[in-house]
Amino acid sequence: EVQLVESGGGLVQPGRSLRLSCTTSGSTFGDYAMSWFRQAPGKGLEWVSFIRSEAFGGTTEYAASVKGRFTISRDDSNTIAYLQMNSLRIEDTAVYYCARMLGWLPDIWGQGTMVTVSS
Amino acid sequence: EIVMTQSPATLSVSPGERATLSCRASQSVSGNLAWYQQKPGQAPRLLIYGASTRATGIPARFTGSGSETEFTLTISSLQSEDFAVYYCQQYNNWPCSFGQGTNLDIK
Repeated sequence: EVQLVESGGGLVQPGRSLRLSCTTSGSTFGDYAMSWFRQAPGKGLEWVSFIRSEAFGGTTEYAASVKGRFTISRDDSNTIAYLQMNSLRIEDTAVYYCARMLGWLPDIWGQGTMVTVSS
Repeated sequence: EIVMTQSPATLSVSPGERATLSCRASQSVSGNLAWYQQKPGQAPRLLIYGASTRATGIPARFTGSGSETEFTLTISSLQSEDFAVYYCQQYNNWPCSFGQGTNLDIK
């Protein structure tokens, strides 16, 4: 069974940084693209960032709202995806989910990790 | 970006009855449309992809239909565990985008 587990969330002040991790098991991590999504309290789902597999260059994409502040990366040897979040804003407060991607289709999601940006 | 619009925002249905949820895309997404179920405090769960293909382990009472810009999720004979929020998502164009959700609650 494929499992994704996020970690690294917490309470952080505006302007500070946080790094989220997504540890996977049960599938060939390197074969898949990965994405991060988020869901603000009481709101819908928003795509945040995407990283292709190394076979497709490991290139990345970002939502306009986070471009220049967030960086997605992957460590295929340890089957972990990361989201480095810098210059955090109050509006970044959300549950952050990682997901395995089939093209642009997220088929398996982690349970999420809460990020709260507040002074 | 393709805008996905779901209706209704809230749907109240009695257990055992049928629920019909709608999703409209601002431009054609071909058949690249997925449906997700989300319960409070849980991650989204993939129900339907390719507009009409059930994901692994999804019961046959969940049926997806439609193409291009108009899509429907039908849940026949609602069970207690089906009351949740449902999201549609297009993955035809970058970036993928979600509808705002339909809250299916017990009547």
